Amino acid sequence: DTAVSQTPKYLVTQMGNDKSIKCEQNLGHDTMYWYKQDSKKFLKIMFSYNNKELIINETVPNRFSPKSPDKAHLNLHINSLELGDSAVYFCASSPTFNRGRDGYTFGSGTRLTVV
Amino acid sequence: RKEVEQDPGPFNVPEGATVAFNCTYSNSASQSFFWYRQDCRKEPKLLMSVYSSGNEDGRFTAQLNRASQYISLLIRDSKLSDSATYLCVVNVRRDDKIIFGKGTRLHILP
Repeated sequence: DTAVSQTPKYLVTQMGNDKSIKCEQNLGHDTMYWYKQDSKKFLKIMFSYNNKELIINETVPNRFSPKSPDKAHLNLHINSLELGDSAVYFCASSPTFNRGRDGYTFGSGTRLTVV
Repeated sequence: RKEVEQDPGPFNVPEGATVAFNCTYSNSASQSFFWYRQDCRKEPKLLMSVYSSGNEDGRFTAQLNRASQYISLLIRDSKLSDSATYLCVVNVRRDDKIIFGKGTRLHILP
């Protein structure tokens, strides 16, 4: 009965590999997000999808490609991983794309380490 | 000037004391404001929204000052379990962007 679940929780991989992180929410929310939290704890939005449609696409290398097969799922695929991609990636959802009025529900995070 | 700024701390406060910290924002078009709490190696969790008239939830009081462009969080009778990082979050109306501050670390000392 986890509200927003991400897998895997930890991911250690070598430079140059391709990896995916999956996210699912069972809250019935319309909007999902990917955030990156770097070593300095700065939480920055990467992408936002509303009902499977891309709404926000921040300045993120095109090695990062989100995919939303339905409004309950938002996956993140990363090609050619680099050392600087090491961070914690949080998935989040909100009821609608409502300017954050209802706040976000975050997943527990995926700690990615690129070696 | 950064869009959302917080004193990173840490604030080391004895149990039972009252502690307050502010967050300033640069964009006057900011519309919604929140405080989130993040425990070490955990996800952020919504603590409370901040309303124009100020609002209270138990020991926590949030205030918004639009004229000076800051929000504040006051914690009364602090508990050891209040130790965490408190993130200020601002929504900018213009582009519906949600911006997180870097957080203020709070340590409640026994």
